[in-house]
Amino acid sequence: DAGVIQSPRHEVTEMGQEVTLRCKPISGHNSLFWYRQTMMRGLELLIYFNNNVPIDDSGMPEDRFSAKMPNASFSTLKIQPSEPRDSAVYFCASSFSTNEQYFGPGTRLTVT
Amino acid sequence: GQQLNQSPQSMFIQEGEDVSMNCTSSSIFNTWLWYKQDPGEGPVLLIALYKAGELTSNGRLTAQFGITRKDSFLNISASIPSDVGIYFCAGPHFSGYALNFGKGTSLLVTP
Repeated sequence: DAGVIQSPRHEVTEMGQEVTLRCKPISGHNSLFWYRQTMMRGLELLIYFNNNVPIDDSGMPEDRFSAKMPNASFSTLKIQPSEPRDSAVYFCASSFSTNEQYFGPGTRLTVT
Repeated sequence: GQQLNQSPQSMFIQEGEDVSMNCTSSSIFNTWLWYKQDPGEGPVLLIALYKAGELTSNGRLTAQFGITRKDSFLNISASIPSDVGIYFCAGPHFSGYALNFGKGTSLLVTP
C-alpha cells in the first residue's frame, strides 16, 4: 500500500518567491497534519485537517502561510512570500481518527 | 502546547548493548507514542500506548506507559547498527488527533 506521498522532496527557492508543497494522504485516512522540523524547534504542528476541514491552524507562523485540503486525497501548504527563516523540513502525516499518524518522507525547503 | 522532555539527548553505544530512554510531560496523557526517524526520512511509528502501566513490545523494542501518566520509557535490547537514528516520544496535542513531540534522543551504535 502506498504511504503518505509528498512532493517535491527538495525545493530551493529565492527569498520572496511563492512555494507550494503537496501531500497525498493514505487512502481512507480522514485526518491530515502538516508539521515543520528544524534543529532549533524540533517537530512543530502547523495545521490539522479532519474530514478536509481545518480544525487547528494555531501553529501556522503567520499570514504568509496557508494550507488547503480541497478533497480527501490532496492537500497543499503554500508560503508566499518565502523567507530564509522558512527553511526547514516540512512533513505531512495522516491518520484515521487516532493519534497513530503516518508520516510522508518530507520536503526539504531551502530559501536563499 | 504541552512540554515533552526527552532524555538523554544523545547516546553513543556499542552493538549488543541495551538502551533506555525516557520522556516526561508537563500534562497527563491518555496516549503515548514512540517514533523513529532515519536520516532524510519521515518519522516511523514504533509503538503506541493507551493505558497507564501498559508495557508493549515490538521486536527488540519495549515501551511502557508510566503509571503517573506523565512519563513513558523506551528500551531497546541487544542494539544493532540499524537502530541508529533519532527516537521521538509524542503525546496528544490539545486539539484532536494532532501530536506534540519531544526533541528526540539521537542514538549512535558502533559495530
